[in-house]
Amino acid sequence: DADVTQTPRNRITKTGKRIMLECSQTKGHDRMYWYRQDPGLGLRLIYYSFDVKDINKGEISDGYSVSRQAQAKFSLSLESAIPNQTALYFCATSDTGGGLGYTFGSGTRLTVV
Amino acid sequence: KNEVEQSPQNLTAQEGEFITINCSYSVGISALHWLQQHPGGGIVSLFMLSSGKKKHGRLIATINIQEKHSSLHITASHPRDSAVYICAVLGTSGSRLTFGEGTQLTVNP
Repeated sequence: DADVTQTPRNRITKTGKRIMLECSQTKGHDRMYWYRQDPGLGLRLIYYSFDVKDINKGEISDGYSVSRQAQAKFSLSLESAIPNQTALYFCATSDTGGGLGYTFGSGTRLTVV
Repeated sequence: KNEVEQSPQNLTAQEGEFITINCSYSVGISALHWLQQHPGGGIVSLFMLSSGKKKHGRLIATINIQEKHSSLHITASHPRDSAVYICAVLGTSGSRLTFGEGTQLTVNP
């Protein structure tokens, strides 16, 4: 099994629908992150969490919410999806301080029509 | 101006060539990461470095903290090296990564 698992891998949804992307990890890392990737823009941070009781907004949190259900689980929700949220979404984990590197999930390709 | 800039944006090489991808950054950092993203989309961490040089197989990464510059070298390139290579810096607070836009490398047989 992958260290960081994202579900679903691909999703097409309609404008206005609520959608949840899920991430689970077996690395035992405290820190978890959600990023989105758009062509020509690189990865941008949506939300991050340093432990179960800690949630922080990233660069582009508007229109998104997150839940850290357990140390190993971090989900991203789009309450009312819009077409410009069409992107590739990545979950990542790191140890405290990131000193041992980051581990990324395989990504979720989301299309909002 | 982006805090992390990579060059070139696109690079095409012939199999066997020596390849260099550059990364410049404008902020203080605690570490710099090189990542690889294959066409399927998954991202793999290649290197994390805060000084000097690291080598793994045909890949070499260097960093010059004073010049705020890092390079990723690939020796004896192969078509399977074709991917997007991403530079990312970890700020001095150690709390988050800032990413470059990536370099698309294509190695032709």
